[in-house]
Amino acid sequence: NAGVTQTPKFRILKIGQSMTLQCAQDMNHNYMYWYRQDPGMGLKLIYYSVGAGITDKGEVPNGYNVSRSTTEYFPLRLELAAPSQTSVYFCASSRDIRGFGYTFGSGTRLTVV
Amino acid sequence: RKEVEQDPGPFNVPEGATVAFNCTYSNSASQSFFWYRQDCRKEPKLLMSVYSSGNEDGRFTAQLNRASQYISLLIRDSKLSDSATYLCVVNLGGGYNKLIFGAGTRLAVHP
Repeated sequence: NAGVTQTPKFRILKIGQSMTLQCAQDMNHNYMYWYRQDPGMGLKLIYYSVGAGITDKGEVPNGYNVSRSTTEYFPLRLELAAPSQTSVYFCASSRDIRGFGYTFGSGTRLTVV
Repeated sequence: RKEVEQDPGPFNVPEGATVAFNCTYSNSASQSFFWYRQDCRKEPKLLMSVYSSGNEDGRFTAQLNRASQYISLLIRDSKLSDSATYLCVVNLGGGYNKLIFGAGTRLAVHP
């Protein structure tokens, strides 16, 4: 049982490049989330999804896009990378029950230079 | 005001010490509460849920005071392996399972 799998683990991008961060879960969770965590800071929600075909913005969505075509996958797209997007990105999933904890992936450490 | 506030620390304690972390939250409609642990350069992992009646898991005790909007975590007999950042987490309820994470309190346990 893999849980939440994120790829790649590390990536260096040049300013203006684009990339997709991959996230997959095998727990049949309906809810999925993307967070970013800057050094010494808390987690900030970028986008979330409550099921296949349904996504919505979190508190810091600018510069990102998501899609959710299946229950299992929730990729995060960075368009026109900027140094401000240097961060650690975590994908998470949870059951569709309020108050249920999240399971996180191991993160993608992104540097934009 | 931040939705979830924690003392950032670091708390530097010797092995065997008892250490307490506090957290306050601003939204009185918050419905569920958690402590997560995050090791350096790793993902957050659920440590325990927090209930008004208090709950204990081995050396860890969590407590919730809804009237004061205050959450605590007590670690007894600290181990070197307890060194990590502890995140206070609150669920606001509403349309989806939205968790709000505090910035975390760093604990360093030394020999």
